[in-house]
Amino acid sequence: DVKVTQSSRYLVKRTGEKVFLECVQDMDHENMFWYRQDPGLGLRLIYFSYDVKMKEKGDIPEGYSVSREKKERFSLILESASTNQTSMYLCASRDQEQAHTEAFFGQGTRLTVV
Amino acid sequence: AQSVTQLDSQVPVFEEAPVELRCNYSSSVSVYLFWYVQYPNQGLQLLLKYLSGSTLVESINGFEAEFNKSQTSFHLRKPSVHISDTAEYFCAVSHTGGFKTIFGAGTRLFVKA
Repeated sequence: DVKVTQSSRYLVKRTGEKVFLECVQDMDHENMFWYRQDPGLGLRLIYFSYDVKMKEKGDIPEGYSVSREKKERFSLILESASTNQTSMYLCASRDQEQAHTEAFFGQGTRLTVV
Repeated sequence: AQSVTQLDSQVPVFEEAPVELRCNYSSSVSVYLFWYVQYPNQGLQLLLKYLSGSTLVESINGFEAEFNKSQTSFHLRKPSVHISDTAEYFCAVSHTGGFKTIFGAGTRLFVKA
């Protein structure tokens, strides 16, 4: 089975801290994604990566950056956490060669910024 | 640009009643359509998808969805729901050669005893 693992289920951070959310997938997928999920807004794409060291901004990249040094790992970075970044963060991966296939999601990280 | 609209934010229904969760999309190119389900405190998982061919697609747990190109809809239905179907359901769209999958805002299905 495809597995996407996010390093933390719950995080509490202080305003201004630098926060790292880690995601690892074990299916050699080219595409990886970071979404945030908020009630009534569904999933909004923050960043995605289509290859190692390659990244593209999604719909809401402000306040975030990403890193993909290895194919299996995609990190989301909050440079200076703010309370409006309190949210559920979901990582996903997908096989680029088969764009019609499903995205596989991690369990999510619920981040609270206080 | 692609977009997905889920017309109901919450749908309460009694156990064993039928349910329909509505989804409309807009796109200027051919699309692939998906329904994902998110159970409490979990990530999303694929429920069913439409790629091509038969416009009616089914899942293993009794859900079905019908692709209607003229109405640009992909509504999800189940003839008789169970308590265990309580979850949030997301409609999504992607297209050939595209990197992004666009998700709707989600519909919370509450199944009551």
